[in-house]
Amino acid sequence: GQNIDQPTEMTATEGAIVQINCTYQTSGFNGLFWYQQHAGEAPTFLSYNVLDGLEEKGRFSSFLSRSKGYSYLLLKELQMKDSASYLCAVSGNTGGFKTIFGAGTRLFVKA
Amino acid sequence: GAVVSQHPSWVICKSGTSVKIECRSLDFQATTMFWYRQFPKQSLMLMATSNEGSKATYEQGVEKDKFLINHASLTLSTLTVTSAHPEDSSFYICSARDMAVAGGNPYEQYFGPGTRLTVT
Repeated sequence: GQNIDQPTEMTATEGAIVQINCTYQTSGFNGLFWYQQHAGEAPTFLSYNVLDGLEEKGRFSSFLSRSKGYSYLLLKELQMKDSASYLCAVSGNTGGFKTIFGAGTRLFVKA
Repeated sequence: GAVVSQHPSWVICKSGTSVKIECRSLDFQATTMFWYRQFPKQSLMLMATSNEGSKATYEQGVEKDKFLINHASLTLSTLTVTSAHPEDSSFYICSARDMAVAGGNPYEQYFGPGTRLTVT
């Protein structure tokens, strides 16, 4: 089966750094995605990791360890607009390579 | 590029009626589209995988006779919620995948803006 775990909520201060962890168990692996979703809106793509290591993109970085079934999303220089849900999602190799989403981590950025 | 639209963006209907939601890929051909449902403060739950020209594959627990999916062309998939009930009120999101994207990520999904359904 497939299972994705991430913390339910996190709170951080504006200007700080926050790390959101994700662990997963899947049948096969074709990559891990991070999405940002504001309330009432569709998810927007943040990052994709398929090989081990760190991918950096501006204020956002994502890390993957396939052997540990572990990823994290790192947000630097937090801004109030970063308050949103962050979804960890994994593409496996079953059922048409569908992507399974974690429950999401709601991040609250306070002044 | 890779824009997906959904229509309508919101709809209110009476219990017992049917509602059709359209999902279109505007600038690419979507060989596969996915339909998700999201309840407040919860994550996206995959309802079904829709492949052009073939029957949709439904996830366990999703009634295929209640949630009718049609993917008749490479740019359009529709989800019809039949005999809607208040418990069907939710945020429905579609996504599309372009397996033919050159140099891109074939596993990436492009999401539509979502449709908020309220059944009274």
